Amino acid sequence: GDSVTQTEGPVTVSESESLIINCTYSATSIAYPNLFWYVRYPGEGLQLLLKVITAGQKGSSRGFEATYNKETTSFHLQKASVQESDSAVYYCALGGDTNAYKVIFGKGTHLHVLP
Amino acid sequence: ETAVFQTPNYHVTQVGNEVSFNCKQTLGHDTMYWYKQDSKKLLKIMFSYNNKQLIVNETVPRRFSPQSSDKAHLNLRIKSVEPEDSAVYLCASSPRWGGDAETLYFGSGTRLTVL
Repeated sequence: GDSVTQTEGPVTVSESESLIINCTYSATSIAYPNLFWYVRYPGEGLQLLLKVITAGQKGSSRGFEATYNKETTSFHLQKASVQESDSAVYYCALGGDTNAYKVIFGKGTHLHVLP
Repeated sequence: ETAVFQTPNYHVTQVGNEVSFNCKQTLGHDTMYWYKQDSKKLLKIMFSYNNKQLIVNETVPRRFSPQSSDKAHLNLRIKSVEPEDSAVYLCASSPRWGGDAETLYFGSGTRLTVL
């Protein structure tokens, strides 16, 4: 079936360190998957961080980047230098099944950035 | 700016009672969803509607019933709640087509506690 697997948290890093949160997907029923990263900051609702719908392309937002790799079925989230304000829960998600009307989420990764 | 409105924010009830949650979106989207977020923060799709028509029903117990009066509203009724229904219920909407297709816009959630 279709699924998303991501780094289990919590992940703790110090400010200005680099970050990678791994995400791999299985899209057995989806011909052209769409890939997303969503984020929930403390006290806020779940919101889109970035989205990529074409294999080989990179998405970026707020200093975060993720590249859609069809060969390795991965969509890892990276940031070169994290800030304390990046502390949040990050969700990798899979869509693109035009018949299904559903987006499948990973289990979420809680990121703590230490000052 | 909030564009997906959920009520109530919190609800505490006892086993066997009936509850209803409301959701309205002002984004003009065609598709609306209910997701359940359990105590481990896992997000699971429950239902999706496109233009008032039920499209996805993800093996949800029959005591759950979605209701859509028009494409801007999607309510959720639980006929006789069970302890395992304690969770946060998230409503979302998305455009069906275009560059923003499948991007989910979430409400702030309804936290249900079943005693």
